[in-house]
Amino acid sequence: GAGVSQSPRYKVTKRGQDVTLRCDPISSHATLYWYQQALGQGPEFLTYFNYEAQPDKSGLPSDRFSAERPEGSISTLTIQRTEQRDSAMYRCASSLGRGGSKRDEQFFGPGTRLTVL
Amino acid sequence: AQTVTQSQPEMSVQEAETVTLSCTYDTSESDYYLFWYKQPPSRQMILVIRQEAYKQQNATENRFSVNFQKAAKSFSLKISDSQLGDAAMYFCAYRSVAGGAGSYQLTFGKGTKLSVIP
Repeated sequence: GAGVSQSPRYKVTKRGQDVTLRCDPISSHATLYWYQQALGQGPEFLTYFNYEAQPDKSGLPSDRFSAERPEGSISTLTIQRTEQRDSAMYRCASSLGRGGSKRDEQFFGPGTRLTVL
Repeated sequence: AQTVTQSQPEMSVQEAETVTLSCTYDTSESDYYLFWYKQPPSRQMILVIRQEAYKQQNATENRFSVNFQKAAKSFSLKISDSQLGDAAMYFCAYRSVAGGAGSYQLTFGKGTKLSVIP
């Protein structure tokens, strides 16, 4: 596609429910990133994929968070048993190269705003 | 681990005037990238300007320029001839190029909210 898309744009859920967020990267992009942005803060890195491989999960806040990219294109971020502290904007980004390249720019999607009641 | 600090939570500027947003960072690496991102009310994240640490020349993109002071670990953004559309949150970000996980992730500051007064 022309840009990174994310769905849904807004999600309201009750505490304890599971949610799944979707990211559709730019079609030619090898690397996909997930960030969490709390209100009034800058984005914080969660995890990334090189195609379908997920080399780094170090930023995931707890084992309730998981992400996958099974065919190296669309990715999902799942939060199980949501808690109020999970309320944030979840941003996806993609980059052309395999990441780590000096000139590899990350293009961000519009984000999914998650509210946990 | 690298840290990025933006000490100005809010700034304001008169339309057509110049404003400078501050950013400092902490790293032990010698080569890295620095970025300024703009987040308007639409909440998009838009890359404004990028600086490669090994380049001494300050980056410039139209009305946007940076003052990169490597020894001081300072990376300020200057916006000239400010326009109403410049009103946004501005985030400074760091990316390592040393390899490993750090070369993939962006580390952001907390942001500076810029208001433009007509």
